[in-house]
Amino acid sequence: GAVVSQHPSRVICKSGTSVKIECRSLDFQATTMFWYRQFPKQSLMLMATSNEGSKATYEQGVEKDKFLINHASLTLSTLTVTSAHPEDSSFYICSATETGVNTEAFFGQGTRLTVV
Amino acid sequence: AQKVTQAQTEISVVEKEDVTLDCVYETRDTTYYLFWYKQPPSGELVFLIRRNSFDEQNEISGRYSWNFQKSTSSFNFTITASQVVDSAVYFCALSEDTTSGTYKYIFGTGTRLKVLA
Repeated sequence: GAVVSQHPSRVICKSGTSVKIECRSLDFQATTMFWYRQFPKQSLMLMATSNEGSKATYEQGVEKDKFLINHASLTLSTLTVTSAHPEDSSFYICSATETGVNTEAFFGQGTRLTVV
Repeated sequence: AQKVTQAQTEISVVEKEDVTLDCVYETRDTTYYLFWYKQPPSGELVFLIRRNSFDEQNEISGRYSWNFQKSTSSFNFTITASQVVDSAVYFCALSEDTTSGTYKYIFGTGTRLKVLA
């Protein structure tokens, strides 16, 4: 199956700093990618839909100024957690489907963010 | 609104027992997709199965089998002769049918399966 690579897999940052997470589709093009957040022992909650060349669509309750999404190419979307605080500590995971191909979504390996 | 319910929060079984994980969904779409994913402690999501709303055939893959009942909006997952390596969190998910082929998933809350040796 297609591969989605997410980097970094783990990151620890100080409160108040910003962290960038990358999501790359390695062997296919993805017009749309999705970003999810998972708190410990909880489900995955969709945060936003990342659209190549246009603004991301955020789910209700997700602060767009806090979680900046950029989808500058058909193979890369980035999520930047700005001015991170301990409550932003979570597992972030992206997914992508190949443009125009009817298959399941492919998920990245996830990024475990810890804000200290 | 779309919704996925996994009523079983945690299940513990002894190795070699069979176990069924329940999934009930709600949607107004006539065309939709259902999925099961496994999430081991490392965190990545492992794809297990995808089923579209028009295909109610049950499926078997090795020790795994799935029972899709549209009449009861259920998509249950059975592991036969469970093994310790099956211990993980299992998520059921529903996705909207989109003409662009993109999938926004609605996940259930997950069922944590513990298989004891």
